[in-house]
Amino acid sequence: AQSVTQPDIHITVSEGASLELRCNYSYGATPYLFWYVQSPGQGLQLLLKYFSGDTLVQGIKGFEAEFKRSQSSFNLRKPSVHWSDAAEYFCAVGDGNKLVFGAGTILRVKS
Amino acid sequence: NAGVTQTPKFQVLKTGQSMTLQCAQDMNHEYMSWYRQDPGMGLRLIHYSVGAGITDQGEVPNGYNVSRSTTEDFPLRLLSAAPSQTSVYFCASTPRGLSYEQYFGPGTRLTVT
Repeated sequence: AQSVTQPDIHITVSEGASLELRCNYSYGATPYLFWYVQSPGQGLQLLLKYFSGDTLVQGIKGFEAEFKRSQSSFNLRKPSVHWSDAAEYFCAVGDGNKLVFGAGTILRVKS
Repeated sequence: NAGVTQTPKFQVLKTGQSMTLQCAQDMNHEYMSWYRQDPGMGLRLIHYSVGAGITDQGEVPNGYNVSRSTTEDFPLRLLSAAPSQTSVYFCASTPRGLSYEQYFGPGTRLTVT
């Protein structure tokens, strides 16, 4: 069965520091991969997606993610974190017209 | 263009009561889904629909019913609420094709006492 693992439940970074959130997936075919962000009390917003082609994808708010098939990973990165990036981040894999989500990583930003 | 709308935003039920969570989208999307979000578990799929008149079960369907009589609406019914159904519920829609990109509503926070 398809699954997504986000190994880090919480991550704390200083404002201005770089960020990497980890995501590993299990999927039999070429995966469709997504990162969503959820601010407190809000719905989910799509940050970026990978379907095919260039393995480094750019998203909104300065985020990027790199697909590595050999490692079954799709890690999210940002070179310089802002306080407004504090939120919960979800990695997901597309399965038909459904999404399978990871458990999420809560990002805390300290000033 | 309102996107995906959900009502109500908050609801408190007593055990055994029934209710319907409403979801509507005005983007003419064929696919619609219901998820529940619980701490530390991400979002789990309850039911989904690939078009009007067609629904199917997701990962956690027990205790919930859905129907899809129109493209726009996809209500979720709790038949007899239980405390285990305390959660945040999200509705999502996806345009036809291979995008798999889901557009989420703002959510309904449900508490069952």
